[in-house]
Amino acid sequence: EIVLTQSPATLSLSPGERATLSCRASQSISSYVGWYQQKPGQTPRLLIYDASNRATGIPARFSGSGSGTDFTLTISSLEPEDFAVYYCQQRSISITFGQGTRLEIK
Amino acid sequence: QVQLVQSGAEVKKPGASVKVSCKTSGYTFTGHYMHWLRQAPGEGLEWMGWINPNSGGTNYAQKFEGRVTVTRDTSIDTTYMELSGLRSDDTAVYYCVRERGAWFVYWGQGTLVTVSS
Repeated sequence: EIVLTQSPATLSLSPGERATLSCRASQSISSYVGWYQQKPGQTPRLLIYDASNRATGIPARFSGSGSGTDFTLTISSLEPEDFAVYYCQQRSISITFGQGTRLEIK
Repeated sequence: QVQLVQSGAEVKKPGASVKVSCKTSGYTFTGHYMHWLRQAPGEGLEWMGWINPNSGGTNYAQKFEGRVTVTRDTSIDTTYMELSGLRSDDTAVYYCVRERGAWFVYWGQGTLVTVSS
């Protein structure tokens, strides 16, 4: 099974700051990575697919990069509504998720 | 618009089985794979398996092989997930999720399954 390790577990930042979230795979998964945002009481929302493509309706401040084993989700300037939990997911071999990064207001 | 409506919350005893339904509308049912995921309280997301509604073919995560069965009824555009041999750590919200371009885009509202003696 491919294990995805997200870091940090919790990220404390202020609105307007830049957020950088990491996802590392236990083996190469090409670019088969997606990123999801989940707010309390809501279902996850797809932000990024195939490592770097923004999903429909996702603001340009969200961007994804990486290939192979190391992937990054960047939020260029945090808005109040961006504070949530973020998950990476791979679909290269079966389907697995990272354990999540909680982005909280500092 | 695409809608996935799941059945209501369930409370089950250890060792029992649970069957959750997912009624779809707003698209061609047989045209898209349907996945089942779960999320334990305060925990992350876990993929359980998928069904091809056209052929009925399935694929399950190794962790759930032998315990989970996903089926569909094309006459009513509905998929089902049955989990047997329930344990307390199966307590979770279970989601049906339709993919778009192989990614999880359309989610059911979730069904809380509580396993307790």
